[in-house]
Amino acid sequence: GDSVTQMEGPVTLSEEAFLTINCTYTATGYPSLFWYVQYPGEGLQLLLKATKADDKGSNKGFEATYRKETTSFHLEKGSVQVSDSAVYFCALFTGTASKLTFGTGTRLQVTL
Amino acid sequence: NAGVTQTPKFQVLKTGQSMTLQCAQDMNHEYMSWYRQDPGMGLRLIHYSVGAGITDQGEVPNGYNVSRSTTEDFPLRLLSAAPSQTSVYFCASSEPGQGRRGYTFGSGTRLTVV
Repeated sequence: GDSVTQMEGPVTLSEEAFLTINCTYTATGYPSLFWYVQYPGEGLQLLLKATKADDKGSNKGFEATYRKETTSFHLEKGSVQVSDSAVYFCALFTGTASKLTFGTGTRLQVTL
Repeated sequence: NAGVTQTPKFQVLKTGQSMTLQCAQDMNHEYMSWYRQDPGMGLRLIHYSVGAGITDQGEVPNGYNVSRSTTEDFPLRLLSAAPSQTSVYFCASSEPGQGRRGYTFGSGTRLTVV
C-alpha cells in the first residue's frame, strides 16, 4: 500500500537558518505529492504541491521537488522565521484509494 | 469564504455517550472525508463520501458512522464513545476528481473521552 515516511521531530532552528525536512514515499500508481502545514491550534493548510516528476512546488519561501528516482519530496526553506513554527505533514494522493496518505508530521520550532 | 466549517471545536464526553461532529462546506465539493489525528500517527482516514447518498469506509472506521444526505453536510457520529476515540478530528473536501489538487481542511474538533 501507499505510505509516507518523514523525518522525526522536533526540529529546532534559529531564525534565518536553513531548513530541510525529509520525506520519502512508496505508492502504487503515480502520486501527487503535498506538504501541509498546521499552525498551533489550527487545521491543516496546503503549503505546496507537485503533480509529476521533476515538478517543483513553492510557496511562502518553501520549496519541494518531486524526485521520482529517489521517491522523495523534501521540504526546504533558505531562511526560516519564528512564524514558521508549526507541524509539517508530507502527503500523497494516487486516486486509487480516494484519500490522502500522510506522514506522521514534523514539528518545527524556530527560536530568536 | 467559509470553506469547511466544523463544530464543535472542543468536546468532552463520558465513555458510552454518543455525539455527532458536524462538517459543512460551501464550495459545492462532491468529495468529503473525515480524518483523525493522533500523536506520532499522522492523519488517518475514517470515512469518506464521493457524493450525496454515497459513503465508504476508510482505514479506521470502527466506532464511527456517517451519512451524506446533502452535498454540503457530512456529519460523523460516535454511537458509544470510548477513550480510544480521544483525538483531533478533521473534515476535508475537494472537487470531484480533483484530489490531486489537494483537499481543503476544516479547523478540527478536539474530542476527549473520559
